[in-house]
Amino acid sequence: GQQLNQSPQSMFIQEGEDVSMNCTSSSIFNTWLWYKQDPGEGPVLLIALYKAGELTSNGRLTAQFGITRKDSFLNISASIPSDVGIYFCAGQLLTSGSRLTFGEGTQLTVNP
Amino acid sequence: SQTIHQWPATLVQPVGSPLSLECTVEGTSNPNLYWYRQAAGRGLQLLFYSVGIGQISSEVPQNLSASRPQDRQFILSSKKLLLSDSGFYLCAWSVGTPSNYGYTFGSGTRLTVV
Repeated sequence: GQQLNQSPQSMFIQEGEDVSMNCTSSSIFNTWLWYKQDPGEGPVLLIALYKAGELTSNGRLTAQFGITRKDSFLNISASIPSDVGIYFCAGQLLTSGSRLTFGEGTQLTVNP
Repeated sequence: SQTIHQWPATLVQPVGSPLSLECTVEGTSNPNLYWYRQAAGRGLQLLFYSVGIGQISSEVPQNLSASRPQDRQFILSSKKLLLSDSGFYLCAWSVGTPSNYGYTFGSGTRLTVV
């Protein structure tokens, strides 16, 4: 099946630092989505991207839909302890019906 | 507004016992429904998905089965649990094909098989 390569797998940072994570694929996606999962909860949608080159912000979060449509990144500025969790990228292929393809996740730890 | 309910939140079951996890969606019609399993707090493994009543697609051969008896109800079952069935089970829904607005996930069920 289609795969999304998400990196890094984990990050340990100090409060106040900026964070960057990305997803790449050999396939072209029509939609990119970024989710955050708090411990013991289901993932929650953070940002959705629909056009190549699109740059979208949600508070301290910024995400971009790569020009080639094969990649996306998520940046978090001035991290705070509540940013801790697992971040997932997800992509929608036209050929996969209703199914999304998820990355393996980036585990973020923020030290106060 | 749309909501998704998943229960129970936690479950401890002995090996060989049956399993039934239920998921219901409110506030939408004909949703696409999904069951995922997450091990060790990492990746999401798609187990089953359904685009309509009685329509179930299985992604991974395993000890589990799914059913959709009603439009907004999705059930995950097993006749005999294995230790390897332990994990965090997530139900999700979406509308439309493709799912350009993403999935909405339930709060999950933590299953421990002992």
